[in-house]
Amino acid sequence: ILNVEQSPQSLHVQEGDSTNFTCSFPSSNFYALHWYRWETAKSPEALFVMTLNGDEKKKGRISATLNTKEGYSYLYIKGSQPEDSATYLCAHPTRSSGTYKYIFGTGTRLKVLA
Amino acid sequence: DTGVSQNPRHKITKRGQNVTFRCDPISEHNRLYWYRQTLGQGPEFLTYFQNEAQLEKSRLLSDRFSAERPKGSFSTLEIQRTEQGDSAMYLCASAGRGDRDVSYEQYFGPGTRLTVT
Repeated sequence: ILNVEQSPQSLHVQEGDSTNFTCSFPSSNFYALHWYRWETAKSPEALFVMTLNGDEKKKGRISATLNTKEGYSYLYIKGSQPEDSATYLCAHPTRSSGTYKYIFGTGTRLKVLA
Repeated sequence: DTGVSQNPRHKITKRGQNVTFRCDPISEHNRLYWYRQTLGQGPEFLTYFQNEAQLEKSRLLSDRFSAERPKGSFSTLEIQRTEQGDSAMYLCASAGRGDRDVSYEQYFGPGTRLTVT
């Protein structure tokens, strides 16, 4: 079984704080690493798709880094706002029977307090 | 709205009944995925279609689950003889390009929440 693990499970921060989460994945047979944000009562929404070791991507106050050799990715949020409150999921595609399926972590539930 | 849609959004059924969910992907997307998500867990892969072909099915799925994607457009997920353990959020996602294009993000629908009483 190929596990994707995320930490912490949940997090409460004050508005304006910066925070970061970790996604760990098997370092062998790496294809890509996806980050999604899932707000309550909405659909999960893609944040980043990362494919290269050392990749760093940024979208506004959110950024992510990737280390494929050691099997981890960090997601950073700078100056957290209440609207950042959501569950952040990472997903790792694995290959089986000639096709790909995505293994998701359990997510990090972020609550930003105003 | 050109996103992924799912119907119904909520379904309450009695144990032993059959239920069917529908997913309409983004029209130009040829890849379609079904996931199940329970409280405290991430989405769990159920099955995958490339156009109308079902290429992958989770070993966790029992024979009570079946999915179709006729003509490579919308997809249905049917659960026969529902059990209380089937209560979950069922998510559908679509993605473009070919099977090897894992560098393209998935677009998720809002999900169907199933409650089996």
